[in-house]
Amino acid sequence: QLQLQESGPGLVKPSETLSLTCSVSGGSISGSSYYWAWIRQPPGKGLEYIGSIFYTGSTYYYNPSLKSRISTSLDTSKNQFSLRLSSVTAADTAVYYCARLNGGSGWHFDYWGQGTLVTVSS
Amino acid sequence: QSALTQPTSVSGSPGQSITISCTGTSSDVGGYNYVSWYQQHPGKAPKLIIYEVSYRPSGVSNRFFGSKSGNTASLTISGLQGEDEADYYCSSYTSTSTLEVFGGGTRLTVL
Repeated sequence: QLQLQESGPGLVKPSETLSLTCSVSGGSISGSSYYWAWIRQPPGKGLEYIGSIFYTGSTYYYNPSLKSRISTSLDTSKNQFSLRLSSVTAADTAVYYCARLNGGSGWHFDYWGQGTLVTVSS
Repeated sequence: QSALTQPTSVSGSPGQSITISCTGTSSDVGGYNYVSWYQQHPGKAPKLIIYEVSYRPSGVSNRFFGSKSGNTASLTISGLQGEDEADYYCSSYTSTSTLEVFGGGTRLTVL
């Protein structure tokens, strides 16, 4: 059973960079049908797709509203992938989820992490 | 503003059926049979309940049924139970630059 676990600081200061890592266990992130995704949910609001990266690390898709501030990366040796969001503001306060985007059978997020709350505050 | 449109809330009594709609465009819902639905209970991560419009992952109750017509996908829950009270989100593959897009979510209240 694939498991995903987010990790990173729970508190980030305004204008700084938010950095999160998703550790994957129970399977490899190197599967050719999968993208590895980040999704966030501000308190009391809906899900917002942030972006996805292919296992090779060379192909990625980002939410246009966040694109200028996002970077993602993969570390296949550690079976991890990461998100960096720069110049954060209070509007970036949210629960951040990592997930597997399964493109091999219909494009859906089939495995999710439990989520980690990141608060942007001084 | 979410790219896919869902009603903010729906409600039903135990045993009844409800339907949640998810409206997009020909670039997403209408153009591909890649609509998925997620159930989220408070404080929990979303859980996949429908993929490819109408397929249920192993372990998901057959009371959940997905369908699509044109640019609108629908999730029907039959025989409502208290445990179905949750937020429901649709998502679709999109030919735009993002790959995936979510709906704004629908809160289901079981009366």
